[in-house]
Amino acid sequence: AQKVTQAQTEISVVEKEDVTLDCVYETRDTTYYLFWYKQPPSGELVFLIRRNSFDEQNEISGRYSWNFQKSTSSFNFTITASQVVDSAVYFCALSEGIKAAGNKLTFGGGTRVLVKP
Amino acid sequence: DSGVTQTPKHLITATGQRVTLRCSPRSGDLSVYWYQQSLDQGLQFLIQYYNGEERAKGNILERFSAQQFPDLHSELNLSSLELGDSALYFCASSGERAVSSYNEQFFGPGTRLTVL
Repeated sequence: AQKVTQAQTEISVVEKEDVTLDCVYETRDTTYYLFWYKQPPSGELVFLIRRNSFDEQNEISGRYSWNFQKSTSSFNFTITASQVVDSAVYFCALSEGIKAAGNKLTFGGGTRVLVKP
Repeated sequence: DSGVTQTPKHLITATGQRVTLRCSPRSGDLSVYWYQQSLDQGLQFLIQYYNGEERAKGNILERFSAQQFPDLHSELNLSSLELGDSALYFCASSGERAVSSYNEQFFGPGTRLTVL
């Protein structure tokens, strides 16, 4: 069984501060994918980043960066120089295996980020 | 815009009633997934259909059922509704690519169901 845990339920920061969101996952598969989604107050789910299990290279994409560590089963996400528009709920998710027909996503409980001006 | 459409956007109904949520996947996508987001359970996978056939099942109640039609659109039927069924229901779709690559899921805007 797969499981995703986001221990932080809510984070409040002042604009321009950096925000790091924690994610810990459990899976028995050796091949899997990790994701971060954003859910703004309007309610839609917005895909942010995806990482596969065989590539631990950490990257930066604009103001987003992530730290994937297989040894600790963690996939943390950082927003640099936060802006008010970053206020949303952020979900970490896991998909197991490589299947041509697609894979279900297992989501964490979400972390609400509030960026104050 | 993800290309996935869901109707209706909002639905208000009473306990004991039955409703149908509709999802149209992106053009060419064969897989449709249904997810439920509620305050109690968070965001959880319900069921997946692939080219008309059920492919995977998650925490879907027996009162709920789904199907995927020949034109690939899908419907989620919720019956004998209870207050706890109030939630945001998302549909997602994915295509079929090479086995070695991941098939991205694209989410629709969701249907907000309120059971009074």
